[in-house]
Amino acid sequence: DAGVIQSPRHEVTEMGQEVTLRCKPISGHNSLFWYRQTMMRGLELLIYFNNNVPIDDSGMPEDRFSAKMPNASFSTLKIQPSEPRDSAVYFCASRGGQANNQPQHFGDGTRLSIL
Amino acid sequence: AQSVSQHNHHVILSEAASLELGCNYSYGGTVNLFWYVQYPGQHLQLLLKYFSGDPLVKGIKGFEAEFIKSKFSFNLRKPSVQWSDTAEYFCALGEQGGKLIFGQGTELSVKP
Repeated sequence: DAGVIQSPRHEVTEMGQEVTLRCKPISGHNSLFWYRQTMMRGLELLIYFNNNVPIDDSGMPEDRFSAKMPNASFSTLKIQPSEPRDSAVYFCASRGGQANNQPQHFGDGTRLSIL
Repeated sequence: AQSVSQHNHHVILSEAASLELGCNYSYGGTVNLFWYVQYPGQHLQLLLKYFSGDPLVKGIKGFEAEFIKSKFSFNLRKPSVQWSDTAEYFCALGEQGGKLIFGQGTELSVKP
């Protein structure tokens, strides 16, 4: 089975540029989560979707960050304009079913470096 | 507010030593608890989970965890670690709606 697929794996860009991270969840999963991982702050939930609808975006750091899920098989996280402090590993995870005991399955992450 | 606390930030062990990583949570409702492992440069993988029944949960790679409700704890154990267990370990609490609240993580280094 294909797991959660993220692209790109690595992104290096200059500050001020727009960055778009992509995620394809596991087929049939109805929840999708975006996380950011840094040494200083650990794993932070940015936003999550249930059935393509954003449920909680309280973790999105500021208006420069936006996320969309136009259909059940694709989501994007966009940063515009990017800043050096956005450098981190961004993980996407998906989950199937409605029960809270269902685990999340993580993608390999996008390592983002903003120069 | 719900929270998860992992008290050990970095643990260093020799191969064959026993492991116990602490995890405490704060939550008044029905708990769903998870341990994830992140090997260097890789994504998080599920080790084990607890949501009901036997409080001693067995996971992959010889890991187990015990849910102790009275102590609000869900400690991870392994009787004999290997060099390949070197990784970061995250305890997580499942919330309504499917959110996970992660602890700060514990970095485990196993010396060969």
